Amino acid sequence: DAGVTQSPTHLIKTRGQHVTLRCSPISGHKSVSWYQQVLGQGPQFIFQYYEKEERGRGNFPDRFSARQFPNYSSELNVNALLLGDSALYLCASNLVLNTEAFFGQGTRLTVV
Amino acid sequence: SQQGEEDPQALSIQEGENATMNCSYKTSINNLQWYRQNSGRGLVHLILIRSNEREKHSGRLRVTLDTSKKSSSLLITASRAADTASYFCATAEASGSRLTFGEGTQLTVNP
Repeated sequence: DAGVTQSPTHLIKTRGQHVTLRCSPISGHKSVSWYQQVLGQGPQFIFQYYEKEERGRGNFPDRFSARQFPNYSSELNVNALLLGDSALYLCASNLVLNTEAFFGQGTRLTVV
Repeated sequence: SQQGEEDPQALSIQEGENATMNCSYKTSINNLQWYRQNSGRGLVHLILIRSNEREKHSGRLRVTLDTSKKSSSLLITASRAADTASYFCATAEASGSRLTFGEGTQLTVNP
């Protein structure tokens, strides 16, 4: 079985631009979460979706938004990019809530 | 904000030695999970321990959980150079809506 897949793996954007990151969960997993990891720190929670509904939101500005599709895949959108948005963005899927979370390889976003 | 704090921040040992990493957290939890990360790539799930469990084993890994002290430890026995990585603990609250990670421990295993 394929694990969690994220695309693209690397991305370079200019300040002020918009970016869309994509995630496909493990087959059968209904929960998808997004995390931001800045170099040298632990991941920070951004969003969680379960059964296509938002279940949690971290302390991130409204420039960050996400959604989950009927096939349980998910997109993370970031508007008006800032230099500080440069980070590794990680997607995780769970079968159901409060079970093991399995992470993708991440999308490395660089904002210049 | 970070809930967990890992200790030590960095650990360097020789192959064959045991490595122990500790994690403390602040709020009530449903479960605590340990992850490994190599070179800033994706996190690999190692083990999940629930709040009503005290100890769990998986291969060379042993995890303990003390909810009264709000702390957990990860022991890697007979370490190998391939164990070199960053290790993170993450707590899940009852709502199950998020994992809260610590800052991680950088483990270096010297051949």
